[in-house]
Amino acid sequence: EAGVAQSPRYKIIEKRQSVAFWCNPISGHATLYWYQQILGQGPKLLIQFQNNGVVDDSQLPKDRFSAERLKGVDSTLKIQPAKLEDSAVYLCASSFSTGRETQYFGPGTRLLVL
Amino acid sequence: SQKIEQNSEALNIQEGKTATLTCNYTNYSPAYLQWYRQDPGRGPVFLLLIRENEKEKRKERLKVTFDTTLKQSLFHITASQPADSATYLCALDDTNAGKSTFGDGTTLTVKP
Repeated sequence: EAGVAQSPRYKIIEKRQSVAFWCNPISGHATLYWYQQILGQGPKLLIQFQNNGVVDDSQLPKDRFSAERLKGVDSTLKIQPAKLEDSAVYLCASSFSTGRETQYFGPGTRLLVL
Repeated sequence: SQKIEQNSEALNIQEGKTATLTCNYTNYSPAYLQWYRQDPGRGPVFLLLIRENEKEKRKERLKVTFDTTLKQSLFHITASQPADSATYLCALDDTNAGKSTFGDGTTLTVKP
């Protein structure tokens, strides 16, 4: 069984630029999550999808972050414009159904904003 | 306010000893709690899940306890090996919010 795929693995941008991350979850997993992990901290949930609907985006900075999940499969997370404090690892995870179960994580995208 | 606290300091132990990591929480009523392992440059990997009505769960050299009265989970690795060196995260089921919330993790180093 293939795991959660993410790309790119690394990205360096200047502040005020835009950036997009892509995630392909495990086949058949209905729930998809995007997390932000700052160095030395645990993952913080940004947005949770159930199929292609948003379940929770309460911690997503909506003035600069956006996310979509097309056809209930792949997802993209965008930051526009980026700030220095957005430097972090962006993790995508998926789970089979309800969103409160074991999550399977991708390798993450490490973003550095200069 | 809600809070999840894991060992504030990194944990260094000698190979062969038992490592014990703690996860304390306040203002949560989790139906279950999970432990994940995270290696540098990688995403977290699920290890164990323990439910509120379970006192203890074991998997090979791993043991988790869950005390809902003390609001605490303990994670034990027996006969530790250098390959167990990693960051260990606890994740609480936030029943009211319908999601899991992660602690900041404890970094374990096992020295040969």
